[in-house]
Amino acid sequence: GQNIDQPTEMTATEGAIVQINCTYQTSGFNGLFWYQQHAGEAPTFLSYNVLDGLEEKGRFSSFLSRSKGYSYLLLKELQMKDSASYLCAVLRPSTGGGNKLTFGTGTQLKVEL
Amino acid sequence: NAGVTQTPKFRVLKTGQSMTLLCAQDMNHEYMYWYRQDPGMGLRLIHYSVGEGTTAKGEVPDGYNVSRLKKQNFLLGLESAAPSQTSVYFCASSRVLARKETQYFGPGTRLLVL
Repeated sequence: GQNIDQPTEMTATEGAIVQINCTYQTSGFNGLFWYQQHAGEAPTFLSYNVLDGLEEKGRFSSFLSRSKGYSYLLLKELQMKDSASYLCAVLRPSTGGGNKLTFGTGTQLKVEL
Repeated sequence: NAGVTQTPKFRVLKTGQSMTLLCAQDMNHEYMYWYRQDPGMGLRLIHYSVGEGTTAKGEVPDGYNVSRLKKQNFLLGLESAAPSQTSVYFCASSRVLARKETQYFGPGTRLLVL
């Protein structure tokens, strides 16, 4: 089966740095996405990794180690608006054609003053 | 550019009733998807389509049917709604689903089955 694990909840302080981890065991791997989802809203794209290493985009960075089945999302200079759920999703080949995403259950991040 | 839109935004059904959820995208995307999102379960793929006239089953297809008669529209049908189908339904689309081609999500439909 497909297994994607993330912590359920995390709390951090405004201005701090937080790392959200994701481990995966899937049949097939064509990359890993991170999405942000505010309460009552749709997920929005944050990052994509397919090669090992760190991808940096402003205050957000994402890291991938394919050999360890591990990724993390790093958020710097936390702001109150970063309070949201962060979804890890693995891109896998699909028997019906193309690829499809398998999502983790998400990590609810709460940023406090 | 409206992106991905979903109709309706919210609906209450009685057990056994039927309904159709409509998803529309104006980005000329080939791929479209229907997910459901439940607390503690994450997003789960119901059905998807890799092009007009094609559909395929996802992880949790039972109790749902889909159709993709036009490239821009993807319909999700519930023939006989059950309380277990109470959920938030998200539609998404993508140009393809390959390197760096992300999925774009609609705003969601909240369905309550009594």
